[in-house]
Amino acid sequence: DTAVSQTPKYLVTQMGNDKSIKCEQNLGHDTMYWYKQDSKKFLKIMFSYNNKELIINETVPNRFSPKSPDKAHLNLHINSLELGDSAVYFCASSLTGLAGGRETQYFGPGTRLLVL
Amino acid sequence: AQKVTQAQTEISVVEKEDVTLDCVYETRDTTYYLFWYKQPPSGELVFLIRRNSFDEQNEISGRYSWNFQKSTSSFNFTITASQVVDSAVYFCALRDAGNNRKLIWGLGTSLAVNP
Repeated sequence: DTAVSQTPKYLVTQMGNDKSIKCEQNLGHDTMYWYKQDSKKFLKIMFSYNNKELIINETVPNRFSPKSPDKAHLNLHINSLELGDSAVYFCASSLTGLAGGRETQYFGPGTRLLVL
Repeated sequence: AQKVTQAQTEISVVEKEDVTLDCVYETRDTTYYLFWYKQPPSGELVFLIRRNSFDEQNEISGRYSWNFQKSTSSFNFTITASQVVDSAVYFCALRDAGNNRKLIWGLGTSLAVNP
């Protein structure tokens, strides 16, 4: 069984469209994350939820809205897609996400978004 | 401020060579955690190792070994007898023990192992 899964794996869409990426983890973790990886492979944290509560919200355009229906799911909705949104989006999870730093984050396979 | 530097952007070796990927970090905290992840051409991010700041013992896992030196703030990764399957981008990351849940990532080192 896949520990952290994302759908879709590939997403090609036109500028201005709205799209969603779904993430699910079956590890029993309390904390989930969204990262953006640009074409130069730079990884940037976008959001993090702990037990459905938003705990990290980086400087991300408000066109990006995360939603966590339960602690096993964290979805990312993007409105009015722009060319610059083209990237790979990774979902990750960790056990509790609490202060302590020692927890390992486990990543999903990534969603490759291309905005035309 | 926290920072992770992977000075080697790209490395190319021939199969069976040993290769070391450098990672230098900056943090003011005395308790922190260091991580290495592998991103093969297929794109997924694979966790390799976690090391805490109080454990300076070097770690070996098969052909992989890690050298943690607090005196030089480095956490280097060595692949012995490299193989083509080791070709990937390798990321070093840092997380402190404060109330900061973020991982600070290096820019990655792209390793190409040629037959």
